[in-house]
Amino acid sequence: DAKTTQPPSMDCAEGRAANLPCNHSTISGNEYVYWYRQIHSQGPQYIIHGLKNNETNEMASLIITEDRKSSTLILPHATLRDTAVYYCIVETGTASKLTFGTGTRLQVTL
Amino acid sequence: KAGVTQTPRYLIKTRGQQVTLSCSPISGHRSVSWYQQTPGQGLQFLFEYFSETQRNKGNFPGRFSGRQFSNSRSEMNVSTLELGDSALYLCASSLDRNNSPLHFGNGTRLTVT
Repeated sequence: DAKTTQPPSMDCAEGRAANLPCNHSTISGNEYVYWYRQIHSQGPQYIIHGLKNNETNEMASLIITEDRKSSTLILPHATLRDTAVYYCIVETGTASKLTFGTGTRLQVTL
Repeated sequence: KAGVTQTPRYLIKTRGQQVTLSCSPISGHRSVSWYQQTPGQGLQFLFEYFSETQRNKGNFPGRFSGRQFSNSRSEMNVSTLELGDSALYLCASSLDRNNSPLHFGNGTRLTVT
């Protein structure tokens, strides 16, 4: 079973920030938080991951709470191309065996 | 750098037949994993290969098998196909270092009739 809980769907206006929450209250000390997204008919795309500190890359920012029980993925300026299912996953370091939940379906609208 | 390449993109087979799917990982990636995606079960881990050896296995019957070649390319095979095997089969590769993420191909869509 997935170790994370995400809202099933969210909407965001184009150009605004999309904030996608994830709860992982049973996360262990050596588990990372990974975010992937899947655009229709494509394979999942890696976005970002982190252990305790907040992380930022060219795609997104990841904010992890101090107790590590939840996190938020931030897409700073959402575009229509960001419409996808977003998966939050917690796994240990060499994470080749990922347990995907049902994710959050983000719809970006004009 | 070329991404993960999966062939064929689409495949239609009949119940009882067998099928082989192919995956070429990103250059330099030695770990290859396979996943099955269906509307009912979502994305599920099948197995992982590293250095031509199966390192991890998911909860699938023995009809699902795979192998990895010395150039890290991988194939998966499904024998005695069932209707329920209709799915998107995804391959992913990684550098196999701590924290290295998976990079997925766009999958092979298998339809069993």
